[in-house]
Amino acid sequence: AQTVTQSQPEMSVQEAETVTLSCTYDTSESDYYLFWYKQPPSRQMILVIRQEAYKQQNATENRFSVNFQKAAKSFSLKISDSQLGDAAMYFCAYKPRDQGAQKLVFGQGTRLTINP
Amino acid sequence: GAVVSQHPSWVICKSGTSVKIECRSLDFQATTMFWYRQFPKQSLMLMATSNEGSKATYEQGVEKDKFLINHASLTLSTLTVTSAHPEDSSFYICSARDRAASSYNSPLHFGNGTRLTVT
Repeated sequence: AQTVTQSQPEMSVQEAETVTLSCTYDTSESDYYLFWYKQPPSRQMILVIRQEAYKQQNATENRFSVNFQKAAKSFSLKISDSQLGDAAMYFCAYKPRDQGAQKLVFGQGTRLTINP
Repeated sequence: GAVVSQHPSWVICKSGTSVKIECRSLDFQATTMFWYRQFPKQSLMLMATSNEGSKATYEQGVEKDKFLINHASLTLSTLTVTSAHPEDSSFYICSARDRAASSYNSPLHFGNGTRLTVT
């Protein structure tokens, strides 16, 4: 069974600084998708960024980028120029590419605090 | 963007009663919806996969008779917590994928969640 592990329950960063959230996963599949979701206090799940395992290039979305290391099964999220609105729970998630497997497997989450 | 509406956003019910939570895709059709449960400060745990026009697929350890799921149309799935007990108190979140999405890496769209408190 696939598992996703986020080893940092909490992280904090100064506003405008850069922070990296860690995520590792375990799977025997060779092709899959990885996601980072943000859950602010409103509890709404918001997609931050996604990565396809067959793509070597790391995904980037504005201030958010990932460091995808397939061999190490690592998928960290880097947030640059942190803003107060980035404060939230961040969840790493995995999904097999198999069209019949649609469900997401989530990590435990990392609570990110932005210090002004 | 795709919107998933979940109702109610919060509900308080007495022990032994049943409560229904609705999940609607407002501007897209969803053949599959997912129901998650989230305890305080914890991750989302998948409870079941709701399939339009067929029976839901439950995750191991989830009681089918307690958490009834109905997906009667392409835009609506309901989760009914039957004979609720205080331990059922939790945050329930639904999600859906647009059936028109061209790729299976297309994101799931999440509802705002329902906070259930059983007294």
